[in-house]
Amino acid sequence: DVKVTQSSRYLVKRTGEKVFLECVQDMDHENMFWYRQDPGLGLRLIYFSYDVKMKEKGDIPEGYSVSREKKERFSLILESASTNQTSMYLCASRSGTSVSYEQYFGPGTRLTVT
Amino acid sequence: AQSVTQLDSQVPVFEEAPVELRCNYSSSVSVYLFWYVQYPNQGLQLLLKYLSGSTLVKGINGFEAEFNKSQTSFHLRKPSVHISDTAEYFCAVKTNAGKSTFGDGTTLTVKP
Repeated sequence: DVKVTQSSRYLVKRTGEKVFLECVQDMDHENMFWYRQDPGLGLRLIYFSYDVKMKEKGDIPEGYSVSREKKERFSLILESASTNQTSMYLCASRSGTSVSYEQYFGPGTRLTVT
Repeated sequence: AQSVTQLDSQVPVFEEAPVELRCNYSSSVSVYLFWYVQYPNQGLQLLLKYLSGSTLVKGINGFEAEFNKSQTSFHLRKPSVHISDTAEYFCAVKTNAGKSTFGDGTTLTVKP
């Protein structure tokens, strides 16, 4: 089974802190994604990566950056956390060669910025 | 650009009743369509998908969906729901360009 793990289920940080959210997948997937999920707004794409060291902005990249140094790991960085970044963050991966196009999601990290 | 509209934000239904969760999309090119389910405190998992072929797609847990190209819809149905189907459901569309777009979600609440 595909497994996508996220470093923390719950995280509380203070305004202005630098925050790292880590995501690891074990299926050798090329594509990885970071979303944030807010009530009534569904999933919004922050950044995605098609391969190692490649990244592209999604729909709401402001205030975030990402890093993909190894194929299995995709990190989301909040350079200076703000209260409006309090949210659920979901990581996902997808094969770049399979025609199924299914995304596999991690359990999510609920981040609270105080 | 593509977009997805889930027409109902909340759907309450009694156990063993049928349910339909509605999804419309817009895209200028061919699309692939998905329904995902998110149980409380969990990530999303795939219920079913339409890539090509038969427009009636069957998924896990007794759910099915029908792709209607002329109405640009992909509604999710189940003939008889269980308490355990209580969850949030997301419709998603993907084109060959790569990104997927998700709807805002529909919360299905099954009452005894």
